[in-house]
Amino acid sequence: IAGITQAPTSQILAAGRRMTLRCTQDMRHNAMYWYRQDLGLGLRLIHYSNTAGTTGKGEVPDGYSVSRANTDDFPLTLASAVPSQTSVYFCASSERVGFNYGYTFGSGTRLTVV
Amino acid sequence: TQLLEQSPQFLSIQEGENLTVYCNSSSVFSSLQWYRQEPGEGPVLLVTVVTGGEVKKLKRLTFQFGDARKDSSLHITAAQPGDTGLYLCAAASNFGNEKLTFGTGTRLTIIP
Repeated sequence: IAGITQAPTSQILAAGRRMTLRCTQDMRHNAMYWYRQDLGLGLRLIHYSNTAGTTGKGEVPDGYSVSRANTDDFPLTLASAVPSQTSVYFCASSERVGFNYGYTFGSGTRLTVV
Repeated sequence: TQLLEQSPQFLSIQEGENLTVYCNSSSVFSSLQWYRQEPGEGPVLLVTVVTGGEVKKLKRLTFQFGDARKDSSLHITAAQPGDTGLYLCAAASNFGNEKLTFGTGTRLTIIP
């Protein structure tokens, strides 16, 4: 099924541990994004990539890093997890950057940092 | 960063009724999108509106973009239980280059 695959689906992580959330798309979309969704705060952009080889910071980038080695994969790494990073993380993609392109989202990763 | 305010935050109505939800901002948008999100899933795009005053229909859903491109509404006619979900508006303000900013959503429950 064409779309975005995120892994793992859920994870409980000890504070201070490092973790990488995986995101793969098979639509050959140029742009990819990572959002976190928290109750009352909505979806907030963490990092984005306009095209393979480039990345940029979103609204809440601190404590997170990303890489975009190829078109399909856009992993999000938490270097040293803290409880405030407990959230649902969504990866998304769009055909290209531009105000007329809709986003396709994955099903999310529910992360709990304890 | 523009602030998108959605209202109401929660709405619970009987099957068959009509409803309208709103998305407002003080900023001018180059485009606005509506998404629906179901529990345990990511948001799914419903529509993109670009032109001020634009109206788009998707079966029983009618989307309108304000003339000044600062607000939008979503009207559902004869709501059905399958319409239950979180409705999110999202907007881009910098023509061609801005990432989407999302509102906090309206959680809609249709009671059979």
